[in-house]
Amino acid sequence: EPEVTQTPSHQVTQMGQEVILRCVPISNHLYFYWYRQILGQKVEFLVSFYNNEISEKSEIFDDQFSVERPDGSNFTLKIRSTKLEDSAMYFCASRRSGDEQYFGPGTRLTVT
Amino acid sequence: EDQVTQSPEALRLQEGESSSLNCSYTVSGLRGLFWYRQDPGKGPEFLFTLYSAGEEKEKERLKATLTKKESFLHITAPKPEDSATYLCAVAGGTSYGKLTFGQGTILTVHP
Repeated sequence: EPEVTQTPSHQVTQMGQEVILRCVPISNHLYFYWYRQILGQKVEFLVSFYNNEISEKSEIFDDQFSVERPDGSNFTLKIRSTKLEDSAMYFCASRRSGDEQYFGPGTRLTVT
Repeated sequence: EDQVTQSPEALRLQEGESSSLNCSYTVSGLRGLFWYRQDPGKGPEFLFTLYSAGEEKEKERLKATLTKKESFLHITAPKPEDSATYLCAVAGGTSYGKLTFGQGTILTVHP
């Protein structure tokens, strides 16, 4: 069964450093998403991406964040200058034309 | 702004003891209500989509129902392997699929 994959599973970085989180969505899916979940809190929407452009973003997704689909398979989330409060689980999700989104296993980002 | 509230926050059941989880929502033009299961340290796993009041979906020991203001996830004769956090989420009609999640209900089923 096809699934969303994410790398790395755990990333530790120092405050102010840039990080890139990588995702490989399900191959025939068209819509791509990033969410985050701070420990003990709700899953929060960050951004949606369709047809090679951002279709919607939340207030969290400020100028420090960017997304890219550099080729036909990868979908990346970049944080330019990490802050302590960026520590969270980051989930990638994708969907085809139906409404249900399929989530990856997540990347745990720890900012020290 | 879309909002989702789940109750209870935690639920402990004995194996075989049926119960229900609640999800109350407010959304501008419901596009869909979704139930996910999340195991510790893992990503949400899709369970059901509900679109309109009166709709019901079933999968093994789980049944999801929907009204205009809330959804219920009924668990019949649960087993220890049903222990997980159950998440409810909504997508509004004007979004590109953005999901707004509730806090989740942590279900523990004791043998």
